[in-house]
Amino acid sequence: NAGVTQTPKFQVLKTGQSMTLQCAQDMNHNSMYWYRQDPGMGLRLIYYSASEGTTDKGEVPNGYNVSRLNKREFSLRLESAAPSQTSVYFCASSDRDGEKLFFGSGTQLSVL
Amino acid sequence: EDQVTQSPEALRLQEGESSSLNCSYTVSGLRGLFWYRQDPGKGPEFLFTLYSAGEEKEKERLKATLTKKESFLHITAPKPEDSATYLCALNSGGSNYKLTFGKGTLLTVNP
Repeated sequence: NAGVTQTPKFQVLKTGQSMTLQCAQDMNHNSMYWYRQDPGMGLRLIYYSASEGTTDKGEVPNGYNVSRLNKREFSLRLESAAPSQTSVYFCASSDRDGEKLFFGSGTQLSVL
Repeated sequence: EDQVTQSPEALRLQEGESSSLNCSYTVSGLRGLFWYRQDPGKGPEFLFTLYSAGEEKEKERLKATLTKKESFLHITAPKPEDSATYLCALNSGGSNYKLTFGKGTLLTVNP
């Protein structure tokens, strides 16, 4: 069982470059989420999708865009990367909103 | 504003030395309190959900308890493989977009 798969695992960008983080889940979950985790801070929600075709902003959405491509896939795009976006990014899914989350293994992003 | 505070930030135990991790919270209406385990370089892994004061849940050497102001994760006779960061998360709106995560407790168990 793959669960939640994120790619890439590591990425280094220069300020102003763009990239897309990919996430796919094989558990037929309805809800998907993107979090960032920074040292000394708790996980913070960037965007979420309660169901296919819908997306909503979380706590820290500025500088990011998302696409819920289908029920399985939820991508996060950085249009113009900034050093403040250096972080570890986690994708997660849940069967229903409010239920336990299943996390991917994360993407470590550095913006120089 | 919902707040979650975990203590201690780090805890070092000897194998077999039982202890507890604390998650204190302030919330207008608790819809669930989650405990997760996170290994280095990995995503958090779900452990427990608690919904009401007095509730307890157990899994192997771990037991989670909940009061109206805090939750404890008790670790009985820990082993080195229990070493990880333990995260507490508060759900005040019945939705995961309202989850508030604590900063975590880094547990190290020495053989």
